[in-house]
Amino acid sequence: DIQMTQSSSTLSASVGDRVTISCRASQSISNWLAWYQQKPGRAPKLLIYKVSTLHSGVPSRFSGSGSGTEFTLTITNLQPDDFATYYCQHFYSHPLSFGGGTRVEIK
Amino acid sequence: QVQLQESGPGLVKPSETLSLTCSVSGGSIINYYWSWIRQSPEKGLEWIGHTHYTGITNYNPSLKSRVAISVDRSRNQFSLKLSSVTAADTAVYYCARELNGGYDDVFDYWGQGTLVTVSS
Repeated sequence: DIQMTQSSSTLSASVGDRVTISCRASQSISNWLAWYQQKPGRAPKLLIYKVSTLHSGVPSRFSGSGSGTEFTLTITNLQPDDFATYYCQHFYSHPLSFGGGTRVEIK
Repeated sequence: QVQLQESGPGLVKPSETLSLTCSVSGGSIINYYWSWIRQSPEKGLEWIGHTHYTGITNYNPSLKSRVAISVDRSRNQFSLKLSSVTAADTAVYYCARELNGGYDDVFDYWGQGTLVTVSS
């Protein structure tokens, strides 16, 4: 099974900042990587899939990059609505799996 | 707008079977894969498995011996059964739709989630 690791469990940032969130796969997953945003008490929301494809309706301040085993989610010009927890997920093979999450908190 | 809604008991006794149903509205269950995902503080987000409207299923090997996911096309619903539950199965359970008819195993629509507690 492929393990997904997000090295930072928490990031502190201010409105307007540029934030980068990292995710590592235990083996190469090519570009089969997605990112989600989750707020307390809510279901995760799809942001990006296939590393860098923005899901419908997602603001362009979100972007993704990487390949193989190392991936990054970047949020430019952080907005108040962006304070949340972010998860990566691989879909290279079954079983699908998620990273442990990175919470972006207000500095 | 597609909407998913989980339903089922919020409390299940140890060793019994957890049963949940996901009702899909605003769209057809046909031509998509439908997943169950759970989330707990201990294990985080965990994919349980998915089903296609044709009845094709795939399960997480860690749960495969205890899981069954089925689809009811006539009711536009799909269901989860997890047998022999323990406290480790306590979690928020989500149902979700996979994007692009299953070509991409990522989840574009989710239910609100339902907390299932395993306790006597």
